[in-house]
Amino acid sequence: DTGVSQNPRHKITKRGQNVTFRCDPISEHNRLYWYRQTLGQGPEFLTYFQNEAQLEKSRLLSDRFSAERPKGSFSTLEIQRTEQGDSAMYLCASSLHGLNYGYTFGSGTRLTVV
Amino acid sequence: QQQVKQSPQSLIVQKGGISIINCAYENTAFDYFPWYQQFPGKGPALLIAIRPDVSEKKEGRFTISFNKSAKQFSLHIMDSQPGDSATYFCAASLNRDDKIIFGKGTRLHILP
Repeated sequence: DTGVSQNPRHKITKRGQNVTFRCDPISEHNRLYWYRQTLGQGPEFLTYFQNEAQLEKSRLLSDRFSAERPKGSFSTLEIQRTEQGDSAMYLCASSLHGLNYGYTFGSGTRLTVV
Repeated sequence: QQQVKQSPQSLIVQKGGISIINCAYENTAFDYFPWYQQFPGKGPALLIAIRPDVSEKKEGRFTISFNKSAKQFSLHIMDSQPGDSATYFCAASLNRDDKIIFGKGTRLHILP
């Protein structure tokens, strides 16, 4: 087990393009979370899944954002029609619900919209 | 509305000194208060956490002090080392695997 893996580590895209990020959680973890972190700020919650079910979405997650976890394993976060304000670090975390160990973050995907 | 307020924004401490970071929260339903440490280019890593039924928790050089009536909690790093230089976030949630509300962070620099 190598922890939570996120790909790509860095993404530069032009405004208006679509981007997709992938998160591979720790294998036995059934909960998966997405957070966004801008420079000098703490991470902000976006959404989370338990297995394949998306249980909560933040108001930060506009209609241009969509997240999936089709088989309850890896997850993708897609941003359509990117804007400069989407530039941030997108963090994924996972946990095993019920065992109360807290959760483990990946190293994130740094998105820059130019 | 910022639910977790953290201070100071930045902190410089001499090697061997005590680093103290303070946080205050608003929602009395919060039941889990973790501290995360983040190095540049990395995701946050859980450092230590406390439940509100405990007033203090110590793990090695790291201690959380919790004041439920004041809705405040703090992180103390004893014998601070240059390797402790990082950004520290206090946080709160309803339970250990619910969504976490983070403070804005404290950038700590330990002088060698």
